[in-house]
This record gives sequence, C-alpha cells and structure tokens, in this order.
Amino acid sequence: EAQVTQNPRYLITVTGKKLTVTCSQNMNHEYMSWYRQDPGLGLRQIYYSMNVEVTDKGDVPEGYKVSRKEKRNFPLILESPSPNQTSLYFCASSPLAGRSYEQYFGPGTRLTVT
Amino acid sequence: AQSVTQLDSHVSVSEGTPVLLRCNYSSSYSPSLFWYVQHPNKGLQLLLKYTSAATLVKGINGFEAEFKKSETSFHLTKPSAHMSDAAEYFCVVSDPRGYQKVTFGTGTKLQVIP
Repeated sequence: EAQVTQNPRYLITVTGKKLTVTCSQNMNHEYMSWYRQDPGLGLRQIYYSMNVEVTDKGDVPEGYKVSRKEKRNFPLILESPSPNQTSLYFCASSPLAGRSYEQYFGPGTRLTVT
Repeated sequence: AQSVTQLDSHVSVSEGTPVLLRCNYSSSYSPSLFWYVQHPNKGLQLLLKYTSAATLVKGINGFEAEFKKSETSFHLTKPSAHMSDAAEYFCVVSDPRGYQKVTFGTGTKLQVIP
C-alpha cells in the first residue's frame, strides 16, 4: 500500500531533550516536506526537500533540523525542544512530475513539550 | 511571494443545502491551487486541484471549485451537504515553476446540521 508513515504518533517530552520524528514514504517520491498544524493557523511549512541531500527552509524553520540521506526518509529533529513546539506535525511527499503537486500526507505526530 | 486567505473560519449549513467555502489567493505567477480536507483526528486528503487546465475542477465526493483569475479566487462548492462532509478544509497554493514553498490557508471548519 502506498503510504507515508510517521513515528511516533504521540510523544510527550521535556524541554531540552533532543528528539527525532521519523518520516518514510514508499512511493519513490522526490519531494518531501514537514508541516506543523496549530489551531487557527492552518499548516505551516517547516522544511522541504526536493531530493536526496537537497533541503530548504519553509516558513517556520527555527528550532528544527532535517536531513535527507535516503530518498524514502526525511526525519525531523528537534535538538532542544521548547514548549512553543508543542504541535501536531505532518510529513508529506509528492512526485516531481509536471504541475501535479498533490501531496500525500502521513497520519500526523502529536508532540507535547513540557 | 504567495499567500492564501480563507475568508471564513467556520461555516454552518443544513444537511442537503449547498456548501460554499471561500478562498482567495495572491501570487506573482500562475499558481497551482488545491483543496484538502481533514476529518477529525485524521490526516489530510486531497479533494481537488487546479493546474492550469480547465478552470472548473471536479473533485471527490461531489465537490468542485472554479479558478477565477480576475477575482484571484478558488472557491469550493458542493450542491448538497452530507453529514460526512463535516470536517476542516484547507485551500493551498504552490509555485508551479518548482516546488519551492507551499502555503496553506488557515482552514475553514464546516459544520453540517441534521
């Protein structure tokens, strides 16, 4: 089944404790992206990647890191999480083909930082 | 630069009546436009997309949207609301020249009253 998977789905952590949220897709998509969703703000793009070793900042990159060492994986790293990073996080992927920029979303990761 | 404005944060309709969710965009180029739906505690699913072909776009579950360049609008409609349409809807704009950044609207919550 074609899908985007994220792990963990739920995470409660404390301020300053480094964490990684994994994202993997099995559709051979070149493009991958991370978003955070906050009430009243919609989804805001954190980072995106157009291919292996190619990443760029979205609208809210501060406090986050990403890497793209393999085409299928795009982990999101919070080196020193803070309470303002409590949010619902989505990973998405898309093929680099023409103008069809439909994104396929993972199920989301709900992060709470205390 | 690009932006998207969803004009209503909440819309309430009676079952069987028409649905109109409004979206205006701003873009310095001819954009790709999308509507996504998010049911409670679920991920995001593509409803429909506009990528410079027909200006009236039909999507899943009876939804459609019309791209109006002169009004910079991409409103989502459905002739008759169903209870299962209750969800949050996001209008999205992206740069068709390359993936660049993807911008989401802040979302419209649709309530369907029996």
